Amino acid sequence: KNQVEQSPQSLIILEGKNCTLQCNYTVSPFSNLRWYKQDTGRGPVSLTIMTFSENTKSNGRYTATLDADTKQSSLHITASQLSDSASYICVVTDRGSTLGRLYFGRGTQLTVWP
Amino acid sequence: EADIYQTPRYLVIGTGKKITLECSQTMGHDKMYWYQQDPGMELHLIHYSYGVNSTEKGDLSSESTVSRIRTEHFPLTLESARPSHTSQYLCASSGGYGPYEQYFGPGTRLTVT
Repeated sequence: KNQVEQSPQSLIILEGKNCTLQCNYTVSPFSNLRWYKQDTGRGPVSLTIMTFSENTKSNGRYTATLDADTKQSSLHITASQLSDSASYICVVTDRGSTLGRLYFGRGTQLTVWP
Repeated sequence: EADIYQTPRYLVIGTGKKITLECSQTMGHDKMYWYQQDPGMELHLIHYSYGVNSTEKGDLSSESTVSRIRTEHFPLTLESARPSHTSQYLCASSGGYGPYEQYFGPGTRLTVT
């Protein structure tokens, strides 16, 4: 069964600190993995996308890693800001369909305190 | 910022009413999607469309229906709203072939009393 599991479920950190969010998946055949940021009451916005051959991708203070062998990914946030408070969702696409079927994790709810 | 719009953003309605959630995109994308998301839970695909006059049901069974008469417009309709329909509904679109990125709208928060 294709699944995406994220940990931790929630996380509280102080402004300026770093944090790492985890994602494990069983989706096969694998096409790509994306990390989305979803602010409360808004739609998800893409942060990074990685294909099978990529093992790291950065977008400003966000750095995602991918280990396609162990089917694990992480999202590292450096020097956190209050605006980083949001849900971070790991999304894996399978390449077995022309639709581009997405499998969503439940997200990690990050809260950054001043 | 993606050019995909949803209205209304919030809707509180009584049981038995008919509602239509609007979704429009100006990117010319051929594929469009509707997702349902409950608090703290993952997004579930309820409908998708490859293009005009093409609609399919997603993984999560839904009593809603959709139509795709124009490329840019993908409305979702509930003929008779029930409290179990209370949820957030997100519309998305993508272009090209294969697993291209999906761009999401801001969502409609529906509450059925």
